[in-house]
Amino acid sequence: SQTIHQWPATLVQPVGSPLSLECTVEGTSNPNLYWYRQAAGRGLQLLFYSVGIGQISSEVPQNLSASRPQDRQFILSSKKLLLSDSGFYLCAWSVGGQETQYFGPGTRLLVL
Amino acid sequence: KQEVTQIPAALSVPEGENLVLNCSFTDSAIYNLQWFRQDPGKGLTSLLLIQSSQREQTSGRLNASLDKSSGRSTLYIAASQPGDSATYLCAVSSGTYKYIFGTGTRLKVLA
Repeated sequence: SQTIHQWPATLVQPVGSPLSLECTVEGTSNPNLYWYRQAAGRGLQLLFYSVGIGQISSEVPQNLSASRPQDRQFILSSKKLLLSDSGFYLCAWSVGGQETQYFGPGTRLLVL
Repeated sequence: KQEVTQIPAALSVPEGENLVLNCSFTDSAIYNLQWFRQDPGKGLTSLLLIQSSQREQTSGRLNASLDKSSGRSTLYIAASQPGDSATYLCAVSSGTYKYIFGTGTRLKVLA
């Protein structure tokens, strides 16, 4: 069966510090991968998606970036965090572009 | 631009009640609609996926309907239980890889 992992589960970082969140998927090959952010009182916002290694599409211009160094690994990064980057970050995968998306447990990020 | 709205934002019901959660979207040109459940501090769990050509989907006590022309979907939960307490999100796919999410309905089922 397929599983999706995210770490860390919780992170507290100062403003201006770098960020690296990792997501890995097991039990499937060539998944579509997604990064979402869920801010307090707001819906999920799609940040990035990837249909293959090295292929990244950005949905929202911001100080975040994503990379996919391996088929089942998706990384969300920032060089300098802002207060507004605080939120709950969710990684998801799907088989096709219009199929069910399966979500990871999320990373709660607090920027102080 | 597709917008997804969920009403009510919060709902509290006694155990055993049948209830309906609503989702509306502004652009009827969708590929599919998905209902998710999110427990506090957790990721999302997919409940039902309705393709644009379908009118409804059922899983156990859950039934989701889709009316594309009116831009509406409902999630019907039969015989609600305390374990159903969670936030329910609907998401609309208006293009490949893109899901637009509503802000959710926070449901509390009282024992």
